[in-house]
Amino acid sequence: ETGVTQTPRHLVMGMTNKKSLKCEQHLGHNAMYWYKQSAKKPLELMFVYNFKEQTENNSVPSRFSPECPNSSHLFLHLHTLQPEDSALYLCASSQGPGDGPRETQYFGPGTRLLVL
Amino acid sequence: GQNIDQPTEMTATEGAIVQINCTYQTSGFNGLFWYQQHAGEAPTFLSYNVLDGLEEKGRFSSFLSRSKGYSYLLLKELQMKDSASYLCAAMDSNYQLIWGAGTKLIIKP
Repeated sequence: ETGVTQTPRHLVMGMTNKKSLKCEQHLGHNAMYWYKQSAKKPLELMFVYNFKEQTENNSVPSRFSPECPNSSHLFLHLHTLQPEDSALYLCASSQGPGDGPRETQYFGPGTRLLVL
Repeated sequence: GQNIDQPTEMTATEGAIVQINCTYQTSGFNGLFWYQQHAGEAPTFLSYNVLDGLEEKGRFSSFLSRSKGYSYLLLKELQMKDSASYLCAAMDSNYQLIWGAGTKLIIKP
């Protein structure tokens, strides 16, 4: 399944580094999402974009900065991260907005991030 | 508050049947999703239920009872490749998904 791609797949960074995660969807969807997945915890929704406009920011620290230049691309800019930010970062897209089927989310493979 | 409960881990035997339960509490309800996630991979969509009853898709079936806030995923004729985590997510009145922590399913030969 190559509908949603993410790069890089793995990233190791120091606490003073700046890096960016990239997500691209080839499904013609209108909504894109960033999630954080930590071991044995539910997926944590970070940001939502609908038609390139940010519609959700779930109290995410400012060291995470999203960017959505168009409805196919989504970035997550990272700076001065903490070790507890180490996790799998997943991007998803959905046809949205509307009823349940249109809100079905399709995920990319994720970026495994390690902050040292 | 909004909450999803599902077992942390289950073990089953190849060729058998397993039922993974999920209970939910949400502000409003717009449907229940099940996803499969193999280790190190993306979650993949399995099923969506919004009406009460059983929906069957090959070896996998999903059931919903809205009055009880309850769903289950039924996997038949288990295969080794079914070893994965199964994520339950309920959609609230704002069309936001509330996720469970996932059930890790271990299949033994």
